[in-house]
Amino acid sequence: EDKVVQSPLSLVVHEGDTVTLNCSYEVTNFRSLLWYKQEKKAPTFLFMLTSSGIEKKSGRLSSILDKKELSSILNITATQTGDSAIYLCAAGNNNDMRFGAGTRLTVKP
Amino acid sequence: DSGVTQTPKHLITATGQRVTLRCSPRSGDLSVYWYQQSLDQGLQFLIQYYNGEERAKGNILERFSAQQFPDLHSELNLSSLELGDSALYFCASSVKQGYEQYFGPGTRLTVT
Repeated sequence: EDKVVQSPLSLVVHEGDTVTLNCSYEVTNFRSLLWYKQEKKAPTFLFMLTSSGIEKKSGRLSSILDKKELSSILNITATQTGDSAIYLCAAGNNNDMRFGAGTRLTVKP
Repeated sequence: DSGVTQTPKHLITATGQRVTLRCSPRSGDLSVYWYQQSLDQGLQFLIQYYNGEERAKGNILERFSAQQFPDLHSELNLSSLELGDSALYFCASSVKQGYEQYFGPGTRLTVT
């Protein structure tokens, strides 16, 4: 059965810290892996990864996919309180995306 | 604002009832996805439509059904509601299957 596992489930850091969130997947006919940020509302899209080894970057956030290890990491540098959210990873094929349970990140001032 | 709209925002109804949730995708997006998010289950994929046709089914109960209309808006019908159906229901759209999905604000369903 297809599954996506994220770790850690929860993380508490202080402003300025760097964090790494992990996502591993087992998906039939894998096509893409997506990262989302969810605050108190709908998930917002961060990155889509389809090729191994190519880093996607947006400001302090970056992500990379390792197809050999069936995994991806999301890095956030110089964290801010506004980064506090649940980070969701989803992996899928052309039909459906399977979401992980998410990592709850809390950034303390 | 993702461009995906969902109505209603909140819905409170009694067990045994039937409700319809509505979603309008972003302009130009042909794919619509429905998800259920509850506290203990996380985000669960329910069903996907592409240009009016059902393309994938996830953990959707038989009491639930959906359709996508020619104007590409979609409706999710939930019947014989149970307390456990209380959740946030999200609709998402993407330009094609397998591409990034943009989520609507969700409909919060409370079954009492």
